[in-house]
Amino acid sequence: SQTIHQWPATLVQPVGSPLSLECTVEGTSNPNLYWYRQAAGRGLQLLFYSVGIGQISSEVPQNLSASRPQDRQFILSSKKLLLSDSGFYLCAWSVTGGIGAEAFFGQGTRLTVV
Amino acid sequence: AQKVTQAQTEISVVEKEDVTLDCVYETRDTTYYLFWYKQPPSGELVFLIRRNSFDEQNEISGRYSWNFQKSTSSFNFTITASQVVDSAVYFCALTFYNTDKLIFGTGTRLQVFP
Repeated sequence: SQTIHQWPATLVQPVGSPLSLECTVEGTSNPNLYWYRQAAGRGLQLLFYSVGIGQISSEVPQNLSASRPQDRQFILSSKKLLLSDSGFYLCAWSVTGGIGAEAFFGQGTRLTVV
Repeated sequence: AQKVTQAQTEISVVEKEDVTLDCVYETRDTTYYLFWYKQPPSGELVFLIRRNSFDEQNEISGRYSWNFQKSTSSFNFTITASQVVDSAVYFCALTFYNTDKLIFGTGTRLQVFP
């Protein structure tokens, strides 16, 4: 069965510090991968998605970047965090080529920038 | 415009009451897919149901039921005889034939009191 791992679960970082959140998927090959952000009391905003190694699409201009160094690994990064980067970050995967396929989500990382 | 609207920000009910969560969507596509996800306090989004635009048949799964009506662009979710464990944020989402990206509504927070 497929599983998705996301870490760390919580993170408190000072403004201006770097960020690295990691997500890995097991039990499937060549998944579509996504990073979403959920601000307090708001819906989910798609930040990045990837359909393959090294293929990253950014949905919104921001202080963050994403990389996919391996087929089932998706990393969210920042060189210098801003207060506005605080939020709940969720990694997700779906089946490649699955028309209208559902996405499966990790446990999330709660990031607080202080 | 492609959009999902969940007008109910928060709903509170007492255990055993029935509750309906509303979801209205906008799209010009003829082929699309609708989803409901549950986000318990732990944060992970749990997939509940997927429905394609050609299947308007309502679905029942235990205490959960979904009413899909293309005429009103709605995909409402009803919980019968609610329980405290149903307390969560519920998201409705939309995607299309030619994309793997989900468009989420802002979510409805359901609180079920004993």
